[in-house]
Amino acid sequence: NAGVTQTPKFQVLKTGQSMTLQCAQDMNHEYMSWYRQDPGMGLRLIHYSVGAGITDQGEVPNGYNVSRSTTEDFPLRLLSAAPSQTSVYFCASRAAFDRTYEQYFGPGTRLTVT
Amino acid sequence: AQSVTQLDSQVPVFEEAPVELRCNYSSSVSVYLFWYVQYPNQGLQLLLKYLSGSTLVKGINGFEAEFNKSQTSFHLRKPSVHISDTAEYFCAVIRGGFKTIFGAGTRLFVKA
Repeated sequence: NAGVTQTPKFQVLKTGQSMTLQCAQDMNHEYMSWYRQDPGMGLRLIHYSVGAGITDQGEVPNGYNVSRSTTEDFPLRLLSAAPSQTSVYFCASRAAFDRTYEQYFGPGTRLTVT
Repeated sequence: AQSVTQLDSQVPVFEEAPVELRCNYSSSVSVYLFWYVQYPNQGLQLLLKYLSGSTLVKGINGFEAEFNKSQTSFHLRKPSVHISDTAEYFCAVIRGGFKTIFGAGTRLFVKA
């Protein structure tokens, strides 16, 4: 049971490049989310999904796309990277009917856009 | 709308001293409150949560928090900290049954 995994751990992009951050979980959780973490701002929700085929925007969705074709995977796509997207990105998952409401986080991807 | 305010961005404390990390929330409805911890270069893990019932909740690693509805606070406490407690701590609230809103975080530095 690996929990929530994210790849890559580190990435450097040039402005305008695109890439996909991968997230996978093996706990059969319905809910998955992407957050970005910036100094002094905590974690901000980018996009989330309540199940395969269903996604919605969070607080800071601009510049990012998501899709959810399977329960296990929830990739985050940067369409045209900008320096403002330099951040640490975390994926998290939770069971829909788990009344503890606990989220499980991946180890993060540190992205630098130059 | 719900928001979370962590009143201290950094808290330095000596080893074996007590510590309190402060969190206030704003909400007009019932809330579910959480504290998460992030050790250096790692993801977040749940320390404790308040969903209902007793207002004093105990978590892992000797931490506890008290839900105070009248003061809309959920402060985190530990009576005696260790060097290994050095980390960043996040207060959070659930909104709409799913979206988790995080505070800006408090960096706890435990000095020998």
